[in-house]
Amino acid sequence: DTEVTQTPKHLVMGMTNKKSLKCEQHMGHRAMYWYKQKAKKPPELMFVYSYEKLSINESVPSRFSPECPNSSLLNLHLHALQPEDSALYLCASSPVQGDSPLHFGNGTRLTVT
Amino acid sequence: KNEVEQSPQNLTAQEGEFITINCSYSVGISALHWLQQHPGGGIVSLFMLSSGKKKHGRLIATINIQEKHSSLHITASHPRDSAVYICAPTGGSQGNLIFGKGTKLSVKP
Repeated sequence: DTEVTQTPKHLVMGMTNKKSLKCEQHMGHRAMYWYKQKAKKPPELMFVYSYEKLSINESVPSRFSPECPNSSLLNLHLHALQPEDSALYLCASSPVQGDSPLHFGNGTRLTVT
Repeated sequence: KNEVEQSPQNLTAQEGEFITINCSYSVGISALHWLQQHPGGGIVSLFMLSSGKKKHGRLIATINIQEKHSSLHITASHPRDSAVYICAPTGGSQGNLIFGKGTKLSVKP
């Protein structure tokens, strides 16, 4: 069982919908990450939060909006997505940002219709 | 040229075989992760190492910083080892992971 919990497991949304992906960890980790993974490709980093502050935004379109309400929670708000945004969205955490072991969630498989 | 090269891209083995997956990288790094991803998506971190060798059960990871090369070995392979194995050095000023393209391993009974 993973110690990083992502909900929902699957999400289908239309291009005009607004939805949110959620990620939770209770390991006391102070760095949390969002990755996007297309089929048969490696994960691509989207955002990093360190001590609840946005540390890295890898030039992600504004239709993806991250939020870190507290040290245990990480959200990804979705609005006006495109079909090409369909992918597996992975959350991860680590004790600190940088050289520390990563713990991944099982991901949310998003389909945009 | 990719910063991280893994080989082989695909590997089929018989149960019980000894398996080696190689990773070469061209960037300066402080550590390297080996990750396992099963069909369905979840990723498990197997090792993080910055020098020498680490062992966990049937898995062994080695790294040679001078040669910029790491290997993942699986002894006595089993069908449940079938997965994609990803090499991911940490590089850059903020320690981001740089992902290899992965090695898809299939172990036949």
